[in-house]
Amino acid sequence: DAGVIQSPRHEVTEMGQEVTLRCKPISGHDYLFWYRQTMMRGLELLIYFNNNVPIDDSGMPEDRFSAKMPNASFSTLKIQPSEPRDSAVYFCASRLTSGRGEQFFGPGTRLTVL
Amino acid sequence: DQQVKQNSPSLSVQEGRISILNCDYTNSMFDYFLWYKKYPAEGPTFLISISSIKDKNEDGRFTVFLNKSAKHLSLHIVPSQPGDSAVYFCAASSSGSARQLTFGSGTQLTVLP
Repeated sequence: DAGVIQSPRHEVTEMGQEVTLRCKPISGHDYLFWYRQTMMRGLELLIYFNNNVPIDDSGMPEDRFSAKMPNASFSTLKIQPSEPRDSAVYFCASRLTSGRGEQFFGPGTRLTVL
Repeated sequence: DQQVKQNSPSLSVQEGRISILNCDYTNSMFDYFLWYKKYPAEGPTFLISISSIKDKNEDGRFTVFLNKSAKHLSLHIVPSQPGDSAVYFCAASSSGSARQLTFGSGTQLTVLP
């Protein structure tokens, strides 16, 4: 049974470039979450979707960040233009509505912006 | 304002002994608490949880205790094994927030052989 899949696992880019991170949630899960992990701020929620609809994007740091979920099996997090302070590990997680809160995380994408 | 706090960034324990990881929360609306374990270069994985109607939940070597009046929970690992070395995150959720998880900053546990 495949878990949450994220790609790429590592991304190195230069400041000003567009970055797109991808996520495939666990089949049947109707919630999808994007997190960012940094040393300074820990694990912080950026945005989450329910049934492909964005519900809360209050954690998105700036307009440079955008996220979409065109269907139940795919989501993207885009940063345009990227900046060095965006360097972090980005996690995607999914869960079922019927759950009590347990989320299943992907392996993460380590982003380095030079 | 940190609603979930893990005040110990690191903890070292000898193999076979007990590991106790602590977590405090401030939001009285939280009614479900979880512990996640994270190895380097991997995503966090769910370990154990507890509902606010209970004060203890046990799963093998792992036990979580909840003290609602003190807004405190702890994770006990007995006996500790070198494979338990990881970062442990405490998380909390409430029914009124679509079960979003609020995470603590994590505690790095090192179990020495």
